[in-house]
Amino acid sequence: DTGVSQNPRHKITKRGQNVTFRCDPISEHNRLYWYRQTLGQGPEFLTYFQNEAQLEKSRLLSDRFSAERPKGSFSTLEIQRTEQGDSAMYLCASKDDDQPQHFGDGTRLSIL
Amino acid sequence: AQKITQTQPGMFVQEKEAVTLDCTYDTSDPSYGLFWYKQPSSGEMIFLIYQGSYDQQNATEGRYSLNFQKARKSANLVISASQLGDSAMYFCAMRDQSSASKIIFGSGTRLSIRP
Repeated sequence: DTGVSQNPRHKITKRGQNVTFRCDPISEHNRLYWYRQTLGQGPEFLTYFQNEAQLEKSRLLSDRFSAERPKGSFSTLEIQRTEQGDSAMYLCASKDDDQPQHFGDGTRLSIL
Repeated sequence: AQKITQTQPGMFVQEKEAVTLDCTYDTSDPSYGLFWYKQPSSGEMIFLIYQGSYDQQNATEGRYSLNFQKARKSANLVISASQLGDSAMYFCAMRDQSSASKIIFGSGTRLSIRP
């Protein structure tokens, strides 16, 4: 069990640029989640995959956000035309049936 | 609507003392699960303990125990014999049957252990 891996750990970019984050879940976990956490708050759910199918999306996930899990293994989260308000920690979690969600270390995004 | 409330933004506790972190929740679903996660300054979310709504006994994991009072809709975390390494943010979270996928987090409590 190597844990959930997220890359990069930190991303600094200018407003208006596109960014992409990657999440590698624990290998046998079929469910994968993305959350966003702003300073002083708990994580907020963004989206959820079971295998390669995206089964749920939060209203927080505007049309500038897209997530994929093409082969049911790793996932990417892309933000297009970044805005100041996108600055946050983006957390990925994975789980198997009847198990708690295991989180990665997150990607901290800073928009200049 | 599901909601998690943590009313203690911050707490200071002397090392080796026990500490209780408060959590109340709201859901209309009879089947749900409650979680506590720890988030050190490094950022990772560490799963601590889980309580199912139908579990007869309060959950325990080492120094962590969950004081589950269903009628009051509270799920307080008790840490016994606190250690310096317990200093972190602590989040209470809930999953219910209406949304079996996602979990809803509270706003967290920052726990600081004094030596």
